[in-house]
Amino acid sequence: GEDVEQSLFLSVREGDSSVINCTYTDSSSTYLYWYKQEPGAGLQLLTYIFSNMDMKQDQRLTVLLNKKDKHLSLRIADTQTGDSAIYFCAERAASGTYKYIFGTGTRLKVLA
Amino acid sequence: DAMVIQNPRYQVTQFGKPVTLSCSQTLNHNVMYWYQQKSSQAPKLLFHYYDKDFNNEADTPDNFQSRRPNTSFCFLDIRSPGLGDAAMYLCATSREGLVKEQYFGPGTRLTVT
Repeated sequence: GEDVEQSLFLSVREGDSSVINCTYTDSSSTYLYWYKQEPGAGLQLLTYIFSNMDMKQDQRLTVLLNKKDKHLSLRIADTQTGDSAIYFCAERAASGTYKYIFGTGTRLKVLA
Repeated sequence: DAMVIQNPRYQVTQFGKPVTLSCSQTLNHNVMYWYQQKSSQAPKLLFHYYDKDFNNEADTPDNFQSRRPNTSFCFLDIRSPGLGDAAMYLCATSREGLVKEQYFGPGTRLTVT
């Protein structure tokens, strides 16, 4: 089945690292994504990782993928108040479709 | 800049009065999607097009229809909006190739009175 789960809330202090976790069930997923959504806005693609990779780093963002456990994480270094948003992980559904399956979203609150 | 554009950003309609939401893209992507999002929940896919091939989700109500007259434009028609249809409607496009990326528009917030 297709199911992507995330914890609902995360609160961190400004300057600390944030780690947002995601578990998925479709082992055939080839791409996994992280999106950021600010209030009243659309989803902004932050980064993605191909399933044959374990880690991807992009400036303050580090994505870790554990395929065995079907676990994906997003680490934000030096978290800023502007990082406060909802973060969605998503997987690309099995080949032959063009569908993306989204997680439930994690609301990140950064405290000054 | 290449992007996904949605108009209007805010739409108010009356119960039962048909409404059309618009989406356009300058990315020249093959795939276009419409999602419904309520209260910061996960976006719920309504349907998508690959070029002119239409793919409806099994649980999308018949009240929701879509048109894609060309590569750049896609419309969401709600034939008889109910109070439960009040939501954010997100349009997205997908790049299909070696790298697969999906890009979203800013959304249209629909209010039903």
